[in-house]
Amino acid sequence: KQEVTQIPAALSVPEGENLVLNCSFTDSAIYNLQWFRQDPGKGLTSLLLIQSSQREQTSGRLNASLDKSSGRSTLYIAASQPGDSATYLCAVKGNRDDKIIFGKGTRLHILP
Amino acid sequence: GAVVSQHPSWVICKSGTSVKIECRSLDFQATTMFWYRQFPKQSLMLMATSNEGSKATYEQGVEKDKFLINHASLTLSTLTVTSAHPEDSSFYICSARAGTGGAYGYTFGSGTRLTVV
Repeated sequence: KQEVTQIPAALSVPEGENLVLNCSFTDSAIYNLQWFRQDPGKGLTSLLLIQSSQREQTSGRLNASLDKSSGRSTLYIAASQPGDSATYLCAVKGNRDDKIIFGKGTRLHILP
Repeated sequence: GAVVSQHPSWVICKSGTSVKIECRSLDFQATTMFWYRQFPKQSLMLMATSNEGSKATYEQGVEKDKFLINHASLTLSTLTVTSAHPEDSSFYICSARAGTGGAYGYTFGSGTRLTVV
């Protein structure tokens, strides 16, 4: 059974710093992995999707990497801003069905 | 890009009444949609998979008669919380994929905050 873990659970950093959020999964037979952002009381916004054959994806100040064999993905945020404060969720889709498995998220707080 | 619209954003209802939540795919057809429930400061819990033209598949522990799902068209799925009670108060979110290939991720609605009083 696939399990997704996100570390740290919460993170507070000063504005301007570069930071890394971690996601690990137990079953390496994944179809793709997606990073989402959720603001309080809101739905999920997709940030990046990495297909199983890819190693990384970039969008603006965000870069997500995938090491399928070791069961890990990282989300790198460059030059953090207060507007980046949110909960970041990692989700993995397996090969067997259409479901995705979520980690519990990392609550990020960027200090002005 | 793919857009999923969810309505209403929030609803307050009296205990014992039923509430319907709509989830629409605006620019793509979705044979499958997913309904999640989220408790405060927790991750999303999959409740059921909604299949167009057939019965929904419920996750273990989710009451089928309490949470009625209808997926009558390729762009609309509805979740009806029947005979709502305060413990049903939660944040409900739907999602869908615009395609089946590996490049297609999941798009989520904006969520519905249900409060049962």
